[in-house]
Amino acid sequence: DAEITQSPRHKITETGRQVTLACHQTWNHNNMFWYRQDLGHGLRLIHYSYGVQDTNKGEVSDGYSVSRSNTEDLPLTLESAASSQTSVYFCASSLTGGSDTQYFGPGTRLTVL
Amino acid sequence: GESVGLHLPTLSVQEGDNSIINCAYSNSASDYFIWYKQESGKGPQFIIDIRSNMDKRQGQRVTVLLNKTVKHLSLQIAATQPGDSAVYFCAERGTGNQFYFGTGTSLTVIP
Repeated sequence: DAEITQSPRHKITETGRQVTLACHQTWNHNNMFWYRQDLGHGLRLIHYSYGVQDTNKGEVSDGYSVSRSNTEDLPLTLESAASSQTSVYFCASSLTGGSDTQYFGPGTRLTVL
Repeated sequence: GESVGLHLPTLSVQEGDNSIINCAYSNSASDYFIWYKQESGKGPQFIIDIRSNMDKRQGQRVTVLLNKTVKHLSLQIAATQPGDSAVYFCAERGTGNQFYFGTGTSLTVIP
């Protein structure tokens, strides 16, 4: 069955380290998104992509980057992890440009010490 | 920017009763809304959606109502079951076709 997976599911890192979170979907969806989820906030958009080689900044993009070299993957990189980036990160994908339902991965819990 | 919020952060219902979860949105131009269910340790799961040209949409045991006059969205769950216990949140498609998500309501079903 088609699905969207994230890895690792849990990650502990230290301040200043570079961290990459993986997202892989097998639905052949054009669009992929990264969100963070924190207590007291709804999901907040970090970056998104509407296709290969396309990336866009979301509401809370500072300190994060993404690249889209193929349809299936959108890795999220924290260039220099900060304690404020401790959060649960969700990847999502949808079929068409920003309009269709987004389907979410299981999440990655990141702790920055 | 848009803001999406929920009237109540927690809701407890007896098994078999109906549940109503509410959501307020601020952008009158939002044209598409989704309800998600999120169980502990899992990603959000699509439940039902509704477009702004509709007032009501029904699914299996769930109904979404949209009141554009007061910018209010509700999710009704019929005959609530223990497996319905989760956090529910709404999302609206607003400016730039981006989605904005509410903080969620935690539903607890009492056996």
